[in-house]
Amino acid sequence: EIVLTQSPATLSVSPGEGATLSCRASQSVSSDLAWFQQKPGQAPRLLIYGASARATGIPARFSASGSGTEFTLTISSLQSEDFAVFYCQQYNTWPRTFGQGTKVEIK
Amino acid sequence: QVHLQESGSGLVKPSGTLSLTCAVSGGSISSSHWWTWVRQSPKKGLEWIGEIYHSGSTNYNPSLKSRVTMSVDETRSHFSLRLTSVTAADTAVYYCARDRRDDYNRRGFDVWGPGTLVTVS
Repeated sequence: EIVLTQSPATLSVSPGEGATLSCRASQSVSSDLAWFQQKPGQAPRLLIYGASARATGIPARFSASGSGTEFTLTISSLQSEDFAVFYCQQYNTWPRTFGQGTKVEIK
Repeated sequence: QVHLQESGSGLVKPSGTLSLTCAVSGGSISSSHWWTWVRQSPKKGLEWIGEIYHSGSTNYNPSLKSRVTMSVDETRSHFSLRLTSVTAADTAVYYCARDRRDDYNRRGFDVWGPGTLVTVS
């Protein structure tokens, strides 16, 4: 199965600053990668699919890029509601797999 | 707007069977999307269990395949998960989700149920 490794594990950021999260796949997943945001006690929320397409209702401050094995999620200016855990997930091959998550916390 | 809601047994005895159902409302379960189960535990994180299409076609995680069965009931607009021979390692929050596919074949779990905690004890 494809292993997704996210870095860093924790990112401390001040509101208004930007953040860059990484996801590396153990083998190519082409552009078949999604990003999710999860807050405590809630289900994950789809942010990005197809490596760079924003899901419905997702603000433009969330952007993503990458293909093959290296992917990046960028949040341009963190708002209070953005602090959460972020996961990448591949759907190129079965079984679908998730990264272990990056926690973005308030500095 | 599509909504999903999980229901089922919250407490299962070791070696027993976990059974969950996901009700689909606000949209058709017979649309061109797959329906999936994901679970989350502190030890394993997010784990994809498997998916089912309204035709009954399924794909399962090999790590669970011998114990998992998924089914779909179009008339009742719900799909179900059955996991046999459970152990404490199966304790998790279980989510159902829609795996939406767009015109470019890009996919994403765009609608999720709120999740239900299943404890094996």
